[in-house]
Amino acid sequence: GDSVTQMEGPVTLSEEAFLTINCTYTATGYPSLFWYVQYPGEGLQLLLKATKADDKGSNKGFEATYRKETTSFHLEKGSVQVSDSAVYFCALSPDNDYKLSFGAGTTVTVRA
Amino acid sequence: NAGVTQTPKFQVLKTGQSMTLQCAQDMNHNSMYWYRQDPGMGLRLIYYSASEGTTDKGEVPNGYNVSRLNKREFSLRLESAAPSQTSVYFCASSDRRGGGEQYFGPGTRLTVT
Repeated sequence: GDSVTQMEGPVTLSEEAFLTINCTYTATGYPSLFWYVQYPGEGLQLLLKATKADDKGSNKGFEATYRKETTSFHLEKGSVQVSDSAVYFCALSPDNDYKLSFGAGTTVTVRA
Repeated sequence: NAGVTQTPKFQVLKTGQSMTLQCAQDMNHNSMYWYRQDPGMGLRLIYYSASEGTTDKGEVPNGYNVSRLNKREFSLRLESAAPSQTSVYFCASSDRRGGGEQYFGPGTRLTVT
């Protein structure tokens, strides 16, 4: 079935460092891909998404490109801030389906 | 516009007790979902409701029941709680399939002793 594998954490960075979190997926057809973020004590919220191959999603300085040839959707940010400390989840929604399949989540801590 | 609300925020149960987690959304979404979040396992879908009047099992439905009360409300019931059901429970909603964003509530932290 459909699944998502993302880089294990935790990841600890200094402020202004470059962040990348790897995500690969297994799916039939043409799924939509998402990155969700969970700040401490809160529910998940959508960070960015891409619905077809070669699409780039971007938000709050984060970017991810839908790469069908490598079945990947890696998350990147060029200069992280302390406020980016959170858990990041990669997810996919199969073509013509309601449901999301989530990766295990990657905890990111940014130190001043 | 409150989005997705959940009650209660925290709950402690003894093994064998029952309880219902409540969820409501005010975004006029057709689809609603219940997930559980456990360390190192991401979110796993318990049940979902594609539209008012329908419910379907997700990945981990055993020990749970759901009711789609109306378009706004979707409740999750534990009939006889077990320690394995200690988790954080999230409700979510969405308005279209295949690429539709899901909106999450703040979660309910449940401990079963």
